[in-house]
Amino acid sequence: DVKVTQSSRYLVKRTGEKVFLECVQDMDHENMFWYRQDPGLGLRLIYFSYDVKMKEKGDIPEGYSVSREKKERFSLILESASTNQTSMYLCASSSWNSGTGILFFGSGTQLSVL
Amino acid sequence: DQQVKQNSPSLSVQEGRISILNCDYTNSMFDYFLWYKKYPAEGPTFLISISSIKDKNEDGRFTVFLNKSAKHLSLHIVPSQPGDSAVYFCAARVEGAGNNRKLIWGLGTSLAVNP
Repeated sequence: DVKVTQSSRYLVKRTGEKVFLECVQDMDHENMFWYRQDPGLGLRLIYFSYDVKMKEKGDIPEGYSVSREKKERFSLILESASTNQTSMYLCASSSWNSGTGILFFGSGTQLSVL
Repeated sequence: DQQVKQNSPSLSVQEGRISILNCDYTNSMFDYFLWYKKYPAEGPTFLISISSIKDKNEDGRFTVFLNKSAKHLSLHIVPSQPGDSAVYFCAARVEGAGNNRKLIWGLGTSLAVNP
């Protein structure tokens, strides 16, 4: 079974703090993704990576950066957290040649920025 | 401009009845459509998919129908069970090679199955 593990289920941070969200997958997938989910807004893609050290901006990259130093690990960084970054953050992975485009998601990190 | 639309934010159904969740799309370049189910405080889980060259795919209680001429797909759950209560997301994959294959997501429909 594919497993995508996010390091924290719940996080509370203060405005201005630097925040690291970590994600690890165990299926040797090339692609990894960071989404955020907000009520009424669906899933919005922040960044994705298709290889080690490679990254591409998604639909809402502002205020975020990412790091992929190893194939299995994809980190999302909030350089200076703000209250409008309070959200559910979802990491996902997929195979580069997935026939159907299926993404496998982690359990999510509910981040609250106070 | 939303390319994948789920026009019903919520749906309530009696246990044992059929649940029908709808999804409309505008882009003819989608080659796969997927349905995901999401419980609160959990990540989405893949439910069922359909290729753009098919018009139906079935997996147990779940069936997805695709009407390409109408650019419409629907997920049927028969019979509905209380455990099916969740948010259902429709997603479409853009046709292309490798990294260009992105998923475009609808906003979700919250299904409540009442005992």
